[in-house]
Amino acid sequence: GAVVSQHPSWVICKSGTSVKIECRSLDFQATTMFWYRQFPKQSLMLMATSNEGSKATYEQGVEKDKFLINHASLTLSTLTVTSAHPEDSSFYICSARQPVADQPQHFGDGTRLSIL
Amino acid sequence: GENVEQHPSTLSVQEGDSAVIKCTYSDSASNYFPWYKQELGKRPQLIIDIRSNVGEKKDQRIAVTLNKTAKHFSLHITETQPEDSAVYFCAPLSNFGNEKLTFGTGTRLTIIP
Repeated sequence: GAVVSQHPSWVICKSGTSVKIECRSLDFQATTMFWYRQFPKQSLMLMATSNEGSKATYEQGVEKDKFLINHASLTLSTLTVTSAHPEDSSFYICSARQPVADQPQHFGDGTRLSIL
Repeated sequence: GENVEQHPSTLSVQEGDSAVIKCTYSDSASNYFPWYKQELGKRPQLIIDIRSNVGEKKDQRIAVTLNKTAKHFSLHITETQPEDSAVYFCAPLSNFGNEKLTFGTGTRLTIIP
């Protein structure tokens, strides 16, 4: 079945570092992918919609210059957290849906980001 | 945007008993109603969903019921087992082709052995 792969699964880095997270659709092409963020004991919050070949659409309150999204191919979207700080520590999850009618969204395994 | 709430926020149930979680939404245009299960540190997994033209759907021990008039839908788990312990999220959607899911506030379900 359809699978979405996310890498890395966890990362620990120093404050001020930029971190890139990859989201791949393994056996289908995804023109649209989504990036969510989840703080401990909270719900998933949509950060942005990644569109292949065009600019991402960011949700209100999400800084587009801090969270850079690139969707250069139909199977890969990347999220780069620039100049990360401790408050950016969170669980980041991507998702994608097969471009077929009535197919649900598939989630990646998530990336746990810890900024020291 | 969609305002989605879940009740209760936490639920403890004796193994073998039933659990019910309710999701209330605000967008009357919502037409797709999924429930996700998320175990600690893992991704959300779709466990059951229902479309607006159906009032109830069942899959073994799990069922979902929909009341579009009142704008709420519920997750029912019968014969609960310890592996049902997780956080459950609803995520109603107004346009199935536009998957901007708005997740509910979440319900932490604990099954007591």
